[in-house]
Amino acid sequence: AQRVTQPEKLLSVFKGAPVELKCNYSYSGSPELFWYVQYSRQRLQLLLRHISRESIKGFTADLNKGETSFHLKKPFAQEEDSAMYYCALRNAGNMLTFGGGTRLMVKP
Amino acid sequence: DAGVIQSPRHEVTEMGQEVTLRCKPISGHNSLFWYRQTMMRGLELLIYFNNNVPIDDSGMPEDRFSAKMPNASFSTLKIQPSEPRDSAVYFCASSLAQGIRKLFFGSGTQLSVL
Repeated sequence: AQRVTQPEKLLSVFKGAPVELKCNYSYSGSPELFWYVQYSRQRLQLLLRHISRESIKGFTADLNKGETSFHLKKPFAQEEDSAMYYCALRNAGNMLTFGGGTRLMVKP
Repeated sequence: DAGVIQSPRHEVTEMGQEVTLRCKPISGHNSLFWYRQTMMRGLELLIYFNNNVPIDDSGMPEDRFSAKMPNASFSTLKIQPSEPRDSAVYFCASSLAQGIRKLFFGSGTQLSVL
């Protein structure tokens, strides 16, 4: 069975501080991992995918297979980053499982 | 394309009543997902379809929940009878089953069971 764990329900930082949202997964196959974000009064949307190795809005995430982690990082948080963030894992059958989510609050 | 369309946006009902949530996926997408979002449990996958066929419904809480996808452009999630603990936001999402497979979400249905 696949499982995604986000240990922090709430993460509060000051503007300009570094941010790391933790995500750990368990899956017997080769994982495909994502971060989705839900800004206030907006739809849940894709932020980034591990296979793209991209930086979106200053966020990056590296897949660490040894630690089974896919933590989301940003060196300098902005107030507009305040949102709900979900880590997700897709299996070979296209089933997408989400973690419990982390609410990021960036204070001025 | 208007994206994934869900209706209604809000539903308030009394315990014991039947509730039907509706979803129209993005045209051309062949995978459809139903999720439930709560503060305590985050986003839970209830069921997903590939090419209108239910692939995994292990997330459906109990027999009171059922989902159908009679054609590629329409799906329903039904709760009968509804209970207060079913109160949550229910999201529908669609994607292609191959390729990039980016998931597109609807705006959700806020369900309150009194």
